[in-house]
Amino acid sequence: SQQGEEDPQALSIQEGENATMNCSYKTSINNLQWYRQNSGRGLVHLILIRSNEREKHSGRLRVTLDTSKKSSSLLITASRAADTASYFCALLGGSEKLVFGKGMKLTVNP
Amino acid sequence: ETGVTQSPTHLIKTRGQQVTLRCSSQSGHNTVSWYQQALGQGPQFIFQYYREEENGRGNFPPRFSGLQFPNYSSELNVNALELDDSALYLCASSPPGGREETQYFGPGTRLLVL
Repeated sequence: SQQGEEDPQALSIQEGENATMNCSYKTSINNLQWYRQNSGRGLVHLILIRSNEREKHSGRLRVTLDTSKKSSSLLITASRAADTASYFCALLGGSEKLVFGKGMKLTVNP
Repeated sequence: ETGVTQSPTHLIKTRGQQVTLRCSSQSGHNTVSWYQQALGQGPQFIFQYYREEENGRGNFPPRFSGLQFPNYSSELNVNALELDDSALYLCASSPPGGREETQYFGPGTRLLVL
């Protein structure tokens, strides 16, 4: 299956701490994207990393991609209560259609 | 907030009925994709429309159908509703460009089938 798998499935941290979530997959990809979803609402695109890139930054977000291990990680630094949400990795592969993982729930406690 | 809008926000139907969900894409975007998200799951790709033609379909039966209009807005139609069709339905638009373009999601329509 092309679906990515996020790990951990749930994470609870204190405000100010860093949050790291991982995504593993099994097939080759063109790019990998991370999305955030608040309380069953629409998804918000966070960051995209292409298969020939190893690391990207956007504000407090840092994403890495290791194509040899077929894994990616998303780091949120200095977390805030507003970062509480579900996070999904989405893969774009040969089908040219985004395939989402099941997501992980991040809770940031004030 | 993206410029993608969906209507209605919530809908309750009974098994066997038909439903039409609507999506207005962000200005300048000519591709619309529809997703079904069951509770606690990630979005599942239903189909995509590009310039009014279906451009890819996920593993959904033919009773899920769609349309895209010249202004790039779109409809998702589901016939013969089943209880398992209860979900959040999301549409996403993307601008002209390559396959690596990201998608901009609407807030979704929550469908409950009784």
